[in-house]
Amino acid sequence: GQNIDQPTEMTATEGAIVQINCTYQTSGFNGLFWYQQHAGEAPTFLSYNVLDGLEEKGRFSSFLSRSKGYSYLLLKELQMKDSASYLCAVKSTGGFKTIFGAGTRLFVKA
Amino acid sequence: GAGVSQSPSNKVTEKGKDVELRCDPISGHTALYWYRQSLGQGLEFLIYFQGNSAPDKSGLPSDRFSAERTGGSVSTLTIQRTQQEDSAVYLCASSLSGTSGHEQYFGPGTRLTVT
Repeated sequence: GQNIDQPTEMTATEGAIVQINCTYQTSGFNGLFWYQQHAGEAPTFLSYNVLDGLEEKGRFSSFLSRSKGYSYLLLKELQMKDSASYLCAVKSTGGFKTIFGAGTRLFVKA
Repeated sequence: GAGVSQSPSNKVTEKGKDVELRCDPISGHTALYWYRQSLGQGLEFLIYFQGNSAPDKSGLPSDRFSAERTGGSVSTLTIQRTQQEDSAVYLCASSLSGTSGHEQYFGPGTRLTVT
């Protein structure tokens, strides 16, 4: 079967660092995406990893370990506007469809 | 330079009626996806189109659901004999290609309510 696991909710403080983990089991692997979704809005792209290692993009970084079926999204210098759901998604090789996790709701408090 | 558009933005229908949801992808994008998102839940894959290839329909929940993509551009998702459990936000996304790491650009969604 195909499964993507993320924590349901996390809370962090403005200015802090938070790490959102994602583990996956899919039939084939052709890359992992992170998307941000604010309440009532469509998801927007944050990052893409296909090789092991860390990809850094401003305040956001994403890490991938294919052998462990594991990724994390790291958010630094948290801002109130970072309060949103963060969706981990894996593109499988069979048919190239993308499987999304249920998302992690992040609450940033002052 | 328009993004992905979807219509209608909201649709309220009676149980048993048919509905059609439309998606206009970004011009030049060959890959098009349909997802369903229930309140507070993640995205459920429904169907994927890539160019002129046969679509991947493996996510369609029942034979009441169908989709087509005409001329490699606009797509229509049709739900026949709607049920209350079909109530959700239906999201369409397109990407430059489905066969590499191109990200998906999402439309604003159609909120479907079946009464």
